[in-house]
Amino acid sequence: NAGVTQTPKFRVLKTGQSMTLLCAQDMNHEYMYWYRQDPGMGLRLIHYSVGEGTTAKGEVPDGYNVSRLKKQNFLLGLESAAPSQTSVYFCASSPRDTDGQFFGPGTRLTVL
Amino acid sequence: AQSVTQLDSHVSVSEGTPVLLRCNYSSSYSPSLFWYVQHPNKGLQLLLKYTSAATLVKGINGFEAEFKKSETSFHLTKPSAHMSDAAEYFCVVSDFLPQGGGYNKLIFGAGTRLAVHP
Repeated sequence: NAGVTQTPKFRVLKTGQSMTLLCAQDMNHEYMYWYRQDPGMGLRLIHYSVGEGTTAKGEVPDGYNVSRLKKQNFLLGLESAAPSQTSVYFCASSPRDTDGQFFGPGTRLTVL
Repeated sequence: AQSVTQLDSHVSVSEGTPVLLRCNYSSSYSPSLFWYVQHPNKGLQLLLKYTSAATLVKGINGFEAEFKKSETSFHLTKPSAHMSDAAEYFCVVSDFLPQGGGYNKLIFGAGTRLAVHP
């Protein structure tokens, strides 16, 4: 079991560029989440999904889009990157009936 | 809405001395509470979880936390710090996830960075 994996690990973008972060889990979890981590602010929920084909907004969704076409994958997209989106992004997953989440290793994104 | 306050942004201890990381929460119901640890440039690992079965919760690596409803606190302790404990620690409370209908949403505190000196 690989658990939760994230691709890529690091990325540098220029303002206005687009990119997609990929999260994959092999635990057959229903729920998946995208967070961003900024210094002194803990983790904040961007978007989440409670099942294949469903997505919902979290606390800080602006500037991001997501898709859950397959149960095991959850994609986070930035259509036009901004310096304010420089952050570390974490993906997590959980079964339906528990509030404990399993986290991926993170993606460090820098937008110049 | 649920919230979490970690009272110290940085804590520094000597190896072999006790560790205390403080957390207060705000909740309108009996929440689940967690402590997660993040080592430098790593993901988050669950240390322990409180779900009302027992007020003293034991976790991995010798850590434990005590739920005190009257004080709305969930402080993390360890009797003797080890160099490998140096990391950032997050106190987390569960909240209602609007889509899905369960308490699967996690609200994170700002984190406490623990330094351990020889």
